[in-house]
Amino acid sequence: DVKVTQSSRYLVKRTGEKVFLECVQDMDHENMFWYRQDPGLGLRLIYFSYDVKMKEKGDIPEGYSVSREKKERFSLILESASTNQTSMYLCASSFPGSPYEQYFGPGTRLTVT
Amino acid sequence: AQTVTQSQPEMSVQEAETVTLSCTYDTSESDYYLFWYKQPPSRQMILVIRQEAYKQQNATENRFSVNFQKAAKSFSLKISDSQLGDAAMYFCAYRISYNNNDMRFGAGTRLTVKP
Repeated sequence: DVKVTQSSRYLVKRTGEKVFLECVQDMDHENMFWYRQDPGLGLRLIYFSYDVKMKEKGDIPEGYSVSREKKERFSLILESASTNQTSMYLCASSFPGSPYEQYFGPGTRLTVT
Repeated sequence: AQTVTQSQPEMSVQEAETVTLSCTYDTSESDYYLFWYKQPPSRQMILVIRQEAYKQQNATENRFSVNFQKAAKSFSLKISDSQLGDAAMYFCAYRISYNNNDMRFGAGTRLTVKP
């Protein structure tokens, strides 16, 4: 079974803090993704990576950065957390190309106060 | 830009009965994939069913089946013999066949199953 794990299920941070969300997959997938899930908006792509040290912006990259130093690990960084970044964050991974689906982690519920 | 619309924020079904969740999408592409993902209360999203646009036959997976109407750009999910474990948030998703980095999700439908 594909396993995508995220470092925390729940996280509470203060405004202005630097926040790291970690994601690890064990299926040797080239592609990894970070999404933000908000009620009524579905999932929106923040960043994705198609190889180590390679990244591309998604639809809502502002206020976020990412790091991929190893193939299995993809980190999402909130440089200076703000209250409007309170959300559910989902990591996913996949092989490149058709018809491969994305496999998701359990999510991190981040609250910024 | 491709968009995915789920017009039913919430649905409920009686256990053992059938329910249909709606999804429409907008695209100018001819070759793409459509997906239904399930997110149970524990939050791990899992794939329920996938449909390739070039296939006319509707996909089925046990109690789950789709009604794919390409001309109408409609992709509904039918759940037969609903079970309590089917209660979840369901997301419809679309992506172009040649780019699996660009998945578009609908807003989701929360399904409640009544015993």
